[in-house]
Amino acid sequence: EAGVAQSPRYKIIEKRQSVAFWCNPISGHATLYWYQQILGQGPKLLIQFQNNGVVDDSQLPKDRFSAERLKGVDSTLKIQPAKLEDSAVYLCASSPFRRGMPGELFFGEGSRLTVL
Amino acid sequence: KQEVTQIPAALSVPEGENLVLNCSFTDSAIYNLQWFRQDPGKGLTSLLLIQSSQREQTSGRLNASLDKSSGRSTLYIAASQPGDSATYLCAVRPNYGQNFVFGPGTRLSVLP
Repeated sequence: EAGVAQSPRYKIIEKRQSVAFWCNPISGHATLYWYQQILGQGPKLLIQFQNNGVVDDSQLPKDRFSAERLKGVDSTLKIQPAKLEDSAVYLCASSPFRRGMPGELFFGEGSRLTVL
Repeated sequence: KQEVTQIPAALSVPEGENLVLNCSFTDSAIYNLQWFRQDPGKGLTSLLLIQSSQREQTSGRLNASLDKSSGRSTLYIAASQPGDSATYLCAVRPNYGQNFVFGPGTRLSVLP
């Protein structure tokens, strides 16, 4: 079974530029998450999708971050304009949805962003 | 608000030693708890998932226990190997919501 796919693995941009990350979850997983992980810290949830609807985006900086999951499968996370403090690893995860709750969480390899 | 801590932040042990990693959470009303491993520059790999009704889960040399009443989980690694060197994170899914809350992780080094 294929895992969670993410691209690109690495991206270096200058501040005020834009960047987009792509994620394809495990087949059949209804729930998709984007996390931000800063070095030395645990992942912080940015946004959660259930199929193509947003369940939780309370910690997404909406003035610069946007995400979509148009067909309920793959997803894109965009940052525009980027700030220095956005330098982090952006992790995508997916989980199955059973008995009214998401199940075990599976992560992709992550996309490392460096903002200069 | 659920908070998750992991102590120690870093741990160094000689190869072959049995070791315990700790995870503490502030609110005992949880749905489940998941342990992950993260290698440098990589994503998180799921190790064990414990449901709130379970006391422990085992996979190979790993054993995770859960004590909801005291807000604690431990990950026991038997006969540690250099390949076990990584950061280990625990994450708690609160009963009242759907999103995991992650601890900061324990960085483990197993010396040959």
